[in-house]
Amino acid sequence: DSGVTQTPKHLITATGQRVTLRCSPRSGDLSVYWYQQSLDQGLQFLIQYYNGEERAKGNILERFSAQQFPDLHSELNLSSLELGDSALYFCASSAADNEQFFGPGTRLTVL
Amino acid sequence: GQNIDQPTEMTATEGAIVQINCTYQTSGFNGLFWYQQHAGEAPTFLSYNVLDGLEEKGRFSSFLSRSKGYSYLLLKELQMKDSASYLCAVTPTGASGGSYIPTFGRGTSLIVHP
Repeated sequence: DSGVTQTPKHLITATGQRVTLRCSPRSGDLSVYWYQQSLDQGLQFLIQYYNGEERAKGNILERFSAQQFPDLHSELNLSSLELGDSALYFCASSAADNEQFFGPGTRLTVL
Repeated sequence: GQNIDQPTEMTATEGAIVQINCTYQTSGFNGLFWYQQHAGEAPTFLSYNVLDGLEEKGRFSSFLSRSKGYSYLLLKELQMKDSASYLCAVTPTGASGGSYIPTFGRGTSLIVHP
């Protein structure tokens, strides 16, 4: 158990819909990272937040957005969902640059 | 940009030793991660190499050569539970805002058979 929690574990929805994925980092970690992992793309970095502020942005679509709240939990919002958005979404947290601890992931299926 | 190469799949026998290679080409380099990921589960941290040389942690060791852009993960006394995907990831230097975002390779699927 990494100490990072993610909800929900599974999510099934339809194209065009909007969903919110939630992540709680390890106690004391200020950084939260979001990743997307699909079979054909591997693990892709989406976005990082540090203590409530966006710190780095990767290959995140405009339909996707995220935020980190004062209690340090983070949410990833995915809208206008497409079939190709079906993937595992991981959150990771860290206290230092030489480590990242991953949550169990949310498996999103878009039908 | 960054380019990371790993073999797609490897097989080995229980009790044996296996070496998983990773080569990278980056515009800047800070360090290299190795993660283990079982199917459908989260990646778990194995090692982080910043300096050249070999670092040993129990049955797993990781080696880095910065000048050659090369790393390997060595797994000894293989067990069936070691069947998993092994991800190599490189972090750049001097990223914007002081952030070090790792770029992951596609992973090497290791199959350990009896």
